[in-house]
Amino acid sequence: EAQVTQNPRYLITVTGKKLTVTCSQNMNHEYMSWYRQDPGLGLRQIYYSMNVEATDKGDVPEGYKVSRKEKRNFPLILESPSPNQTSLYFCASSLSGGPLGSPLHFGNGTRLTVT
Amino acid sequence: SQKIEQNSEALNIQEGKTATLTCNYTNYSPAYLQWYRQDPGRGPVFLLLIRENEKEKRKERLKVTFDTTLKQSLFHITASQPADSATYLCALPVSGGYNKLIFGAGTRLAVHP
Repeated sequence: EAQVTQNPRYLITVTGKKLTVTCSQNMNHEYMSWYRQDPGLGLRQIYYSMNVEATDKGDVPEGYKVSRKEKRNFPLILESPSPNQTSLYFCASSLSGGPLGSPLHFGNGTRLTVT
Repeated sequence: SQKIEQNSEALNIQEGKTATLTCNYTNYSPAYLQWYRQDPGRGPVFLLLIRENEKEKRKERLKVTFDTTLKQSLFHITASQPADSATYLCALPVSGGYNKLIFGAGTRLAVHP
């Protein structure tokens, strides 16, 4: 089954404790992206990757890191989480990030709480 | 900067009626526009894409229009069903950068039996 898999689904952590949210897709998609979703603000892009070893900042990259060593995986790293990073996070992938507007396939989300 | 506006108030309609949701945007002319459905606690699911040179697109009970003069897209669900209840998001590529999609905050639709 074609899917984007995020883990974990729920995560509660404390300020400053490094964490990684994993994301994997099995569709051989070139483009992958991370979003956070907050009430009233909608989905905001954190980072995206056009292909392996090619990553770039989205609209809200502060406090986050990503890597794309393999085509299928795109982990999101919070080196020192803070309470304002409490949010619902989504990983997404698409065939390409170019002008054709390839649809995004989203994972089921990771609800992160930082206390 | 680009801005997308969707009606933040929930839309409540009776089963069998047509639901119409609005997406307005400002300050640029996108090459395409996408609509997604999101259920509570789940990731958005792609529904339809319409390009700037298309006036209308249909898929089963769904219809999307794209008026580049009004800078508006309308999303219609005909013969609505309670299972259509969800939040619907519109998304546009950022001007000058196809790699970034900006999303509206979404409109919640509730279809009552």
